[in-house]
Amino acid sequence: NAGVTQTPKFQVLKTGQSMTLQCAQDMNHEYMSWYRQDPGMGLRLIHYSVGAGITDQGEVPNGYNVSRSTTEDFPLRLLSAAPSQTSVYFCASSTTSGRWGNIQYFGAGTRLSVL
Amino acid sequence: RKEVEQDPGPFNVPEGATVAFNCTYSNSASQSFFWYRQDCRKEPKLLMSVYSSGNEDGRFTAQLNRASQYISLLIRDSKLSDSATYLCVVNPVYSSASKIIFGSGTRLSIRP
Repeated sequence: NAGVTQTPKFQVLKTGQSMTLQCAQDMNHEYMSWYRQDPGMGLRLIHYSVGAGITDQGEVPNGYNVSRSTTEDFPLRLLSAAPSQTSVYFCASSTTSGRWGNIQYFGAGTRLSVL
Repeated sequence: RKEVEQDPGPFNVPEGATVAFNCTYSNSASQSFFWYRQDCRKEPKLLMSVYSSGNEDGRFTAQLNRASQYISLLIRDSKLSDSATYLCVVNPVYSSASKIIFGSGTRLSIRP
C-alpha cells in the first residue's frame, strides 16, 4: 500500500530558484494538506484542499502556491525560494467521513534547504 | 490565543513512570480530536482518536473535557520506546471545508 507519496525526499535550492514538491495519495481521500516543520517546532499549515479544484490558505501561505486538478495529486510550488523556506515539508491526506474521517495520513516528508 | 496549545515540555521521566499531558483548544464547536506521535525526523503517525467517553489502548488513555476545552493523554508504565513528540489534533467543525489544526507538540523523554 503506497498511501501518501512525497517526492523528492531531499532537495537543495539556491535563493530565487523555483521548484515543485510532489504529493500523491492512492486512498481516494478528499482532504489534502501541506505543512512545514522547522527544527523544534510543530507543524504549520501552508495550504489545504477539500477536493479537486478547491484549495485554501493555511497559517503560512506566503511564497507557496498549490493546485488540485485531481483527487490524487496536490503539488506545492515554491515560486522563488528563500532561505526562510528551509524546512521539512509534509503532505497529508484524509477522508472526511465515516469511522476514519479526519485521520491524517502523512507522507515521509521532503527536506528542503535553500542556500 | 492559538487555536490549539500544548506544553512543549520536555517531559523527562524514568522508565515505568506514569506521565500525562494536556492540549487545550479554543473553538468550542470542535468535533473530533486525535493524538499523534512523531519520532525524530519522521512523519507524524496516529496514536489514537479521542472520544467523548474517553478511550484506552493498552498503556495509553485519552480523555476529552468539553467543558474546559482540553484533551489529555495518559501513558502508564512508560517505556524507553515511548520517547517521542506527541501532537494533538483538533478538527474545528464537522465539515469537509474546515482545516485540521495541529498543536505544536509535547516532547517526552523516558530515561532508563
